[in-house]
Amino acid sequence: EAGVTQFPSHSVIEKGQTVTLRCDPISGHDNLYWYRRVMGKEIKFLLHFVKESKQDESGMPNNRFLAERTGGTYSTLKVQPAELEDSGVYFCASSQWGSGPSEQYFGPGTRLTVT
Amino acid sequence: AQSVTQLDSQVPVFEEAPVELRCNYSSSVSVYLFWYVQYPNQGLQLLLKYLSGSTLVESINGFEAEFNKSQTSFHLRKPSVHISDTAEYFCAESLPVGGGFKTIFGAGTRLFVKA
Repeated sequence: EAGVTQFPSHSVIEKGQTVTLRCDPISGHDNLYWYRRVMGKEIKFLLHFVKESKQDESGMPNNRFLAERTGGTYSTLKVQPAELEDSGVYFCASSQWGSGPSEQYFGPGTRLTVT
Repeated sequence: AQSVTQLDSQVPVFEEAPVELRCNYSSSVSVYLFWYVQYPNQGLQLLLKYLSGSTLVESINGFEAEFNKSQTSFHLRKPSVHISDTAEYFCAESLPVGGGFKTIFGAGTRLFVKA
């Protein structure tokens, strides 16, 4: 069974441009999470989807970030317009609805560099 | 707010020496604690976890961690490290949220194992 996949693995864009990151969770996982790690800091929770609904988006930094999960399968995270401080690694994770705390699976991350 | 503190950002150690990576969590009613490892150019992998029961938990590659409620700690130890253990290690706590769990990470500890 395939794990959580993320695309692209790396993205380099200029300040002011738009970037869209994609996450494909494990098939059948209703819970989908986005996390971000900026340089030298901790990995921080951004938001949580249950199917296509945003359950908790308390970690989203500002309105330049838009996450969607149409149809409750894959998710996208768009940054528009990108700023220098958005550089970092964006992780996605998924789990089954009602599963325990240890059943969250992480993707390899997308490294975003804004120049 | 819940938080996880990793007291050392970098730990250099010689091969075959013992190592301890320190982690303190903020007190909570239900405690679910994890250590994740990220090897160079790879994604996050679950190393070990404490959910309940025995306070000493072990991984398959010789790491162990002990849950200490009175000190709110979950330090990671290995009696003899290998070059291949060079990686970044993240202590984390899971918090229940709407049918799933979100993960609160520490800032990470880079372990450098030298020959």
